[in-house]
Amino acid sequence: NAGVTQTPKFQVLKTGQSMTLQCAQDMNHEYMSWYRQDPGMGLRLIHYSVGAGITDQGEVPNGYNVSRSTTEDFPLRLLSAAPSQTSVYFCASKGNADTQYFGPGTRLTVL
Amino acid sequence: GDSVTQMEGPVTLSEEAFLTINCTYTATGYPSLFWYVQYPGEGLQLLLKATKADDKGSNKGFEATYRKETTSFHLEKGSVQVSDSAVYFCALKGLDAGNMLTFGGGTRLMVKP
Repeated sequence: NAGVTQTPKFQVLKTGQSMTLQCAQDMNHEYMSWYRQDPGMGLRLIHYSVGAGITDQGEVPNGYNVSRSTTEDFPLRLLSAAPSQTSVYFCASKGNADTQYFGPGTRLTVL
Repeated sequence: GDSVTQMEGPVTLSEEAFLTINCTYTATGYPSLFWYVQYPGEGLQLLLKATKADDKGSNKGFEATYRKETTSFHLEKGSVQVSDSAVYFCALKGLDAGNMLTFGGGTRLMVKP
């Protein structure tokens, strides 16, 4: 049981480039989400999904797209990276209980 | 909207010292309250939680009591260890928030031998 996995661990982009952050979970959880972590601000919700084919916006969705074609995978896409998107990104999943399980994070730098 | 405020760090303690990290919240009704811990280079892990007033969450020697009258959920540990060095996040799940967690800014704890 790997839990929640994320790739890559580190990424450097130039302004305007696009990329996809990968997230996968093997716990058969319906709910998955993406957060960004910025210094002194805790984590803020970007997008979430309550099941395959269903996604919705969180607190800070601008500049990000998501899709959920399978229960296991929930990729986050940056279409045109901006320096304001420099952050650490965490994917999380949740089953029927209240506990959310977080991945190890992706540290993204946009130059 | 919902919000969480926790004490700014870093908090530096000697091994075996008593730890308190303050957390207060603003939310309607009775949200669920959580403490998450992030060890260096890792993701967040649930440390403990409480879902109703006067509940006490506990795990690994850490405790926090859900105080509705003071809207607080302070984290305490009687004797910290070097291995407790990490960033601690207080969070809440509001009644109308679905599964969204609202986090405080995090408090870095450094324990010196």
